[in-house]
Amino acid sequence: IAGITQAPTSQILAAGRRMTLRCTQDMRHNAMYWYRQDLGLGLRLIHYSNTAGTTGKGEVPDGYSVSRANTDDFPLTLASAVPSQTSVYFCASSEREGSYEQYFGPGTRLTVT
Amino acid sequence: GQNIDQPTEMTATEGAIVQINCTYQTSGFNGLFWYQQHAGEAPTFLSYNVLDGLEEKGRFSSFLSRSKGYSYLLLKELQMKDSASYLCAVMDSNYQLIWGAGTKLIIKP
Repeated sequence: IAGITQAPTSQILAAGRRMTLRCTQDMRHNAMYWYRQDLGLGLRLIHYSNTAGTTGKGEVPDGYSVSRANTDDFPLTLASAVPSQTSVYFCASSEREGSYEQYFGPGTRLTVT
Repeated sequence: GQNIDQPTEMTATEGAIVQINCTYQTSGFNGLFWYQQHAGEAPTFLSYNVLDGLEEKGRFSSFLSRSKGYSYLLLKELQMKDSASYLCAVMDSNYQLIWGAGTKLIIKP
């Protein structure tokens, strides 16, 4: 692994289903983030974690949950998917909260039908 | 509320210079960032400004005026590979990034 990986690359999901997007980094970064990117809008922060064991809500947290059991992994769960959650999801990490550079994973393209 | 404004799309010619502007209104300021994002790919970091003035890095330069809530990204000697979206983001008082919608730059031969 080099940097940040995300899985799956893309997914079509029926509304009402549960889905977990995976994110793993090997840079030993303390801070991790989940964003969604929609056409015509900027990246919007869903949830973040400043260190293992802690999480926080971003701008658009409703319908999503996260956990940070260790430094490397930061999964994002959609408990019951809705069509408005159709988006491209990016996981990112930085050395620590407030670090000036965030490193992004390749993204997961999710379609909820 | 918090707001980042940048043009939706710009077109420039290979070899030329282009300036992409960004204006912001945020709750607190802990730096302004520019990222590049090629179509279908992840954003990658270009520059960071926290003090007023110009930061130069090769063909790319970034300028900040905190009093005016204004920044620009200057790209010189444009190459076809510079065709991408350029994202402006501000780190607010909570150390979270607030992102603009991005400027799609189209380079023509």
